[in-house]
Amino acid sequence: LAKTTQPISMDSYEGQEVNITCSHNNIATNDYITWYQQFPSQGPRFIIQGYKTKVTNEVASLFIPADRKSSTLSLPRVSLSDTAVYYCLVGAGDYKLSFGAGTTVTVRA
Amino acid sequence: SAVISQKPSRDICQRGTSLTIQCQVDSQVTMMFWYRQQPGQSLTLIATANQGSEATYESGFVIDKFPISRPNLTFSTLTVSNMSPEDSSIYLCSVELSGPLSYEQYFGPGTRLTVT
Repeated sequence: LAKTTQPISMDSYEGQEVNITCSHNNIATNDYITWYQQFPSQGPRFIIQGYKTKVTNEVASLFIPADRKSSTLSLPRVSLSDTAVYYCLVGAGDYKLSFGAGTTVTVRA
Repeated sequence: SAVISQKPSRDICQRGTSLTIQCQVDSQVTMMFWYRQQPGQSLTLIATANQGSEATYESGFVIDKFPISRPNLTFSTLTVSNMSPEDSSIYLCSVELSGPLSYEQYFGPGTRLTVT
């Protein structure tokens, strides 16, 4: 399993864009990059998944450079309800999700 | 996606007793997983439960302590046996579904266990 490194915490204000970068230098050719969001007292929620370039859905965008050694989750115009822990995971669908410490994003009014 | 429910949502148990946590999915799934999340920590995979076979445990977790049942494709139970305060955690089940790119896991709301 490729190891991931992401910032422990990030602070932001409502309406701003939040970008969380995850490093995964040992990513394998068949690995995908997946991000999960976890609110207090809830299970993690799948946000977005990508392999290369850019992926966008109704919640976030995921930017992956050509070398795939990092990825950036972009949350546009955050609100207070986006305060959560965000996890970056790398794997090939072999189900053994290895959760790192995650990034605690705190959005302030 | 999948809708997953867990029972109980929380419990306070005495040392030395056992608690069985139930996980119900709204669709048939092959792979179900059990995780533990200790206070302020990330998630740790306990075991994988496939219907019709013995659960596969991760390093540091044993069947005698965390017996798992998987009687059908929509249900699983995890028992935390002979509990001690160190077992106080949130226990989560999840399922894996095929997504447009790769597999995606969906998690239940968790069971918050406090052992006194």
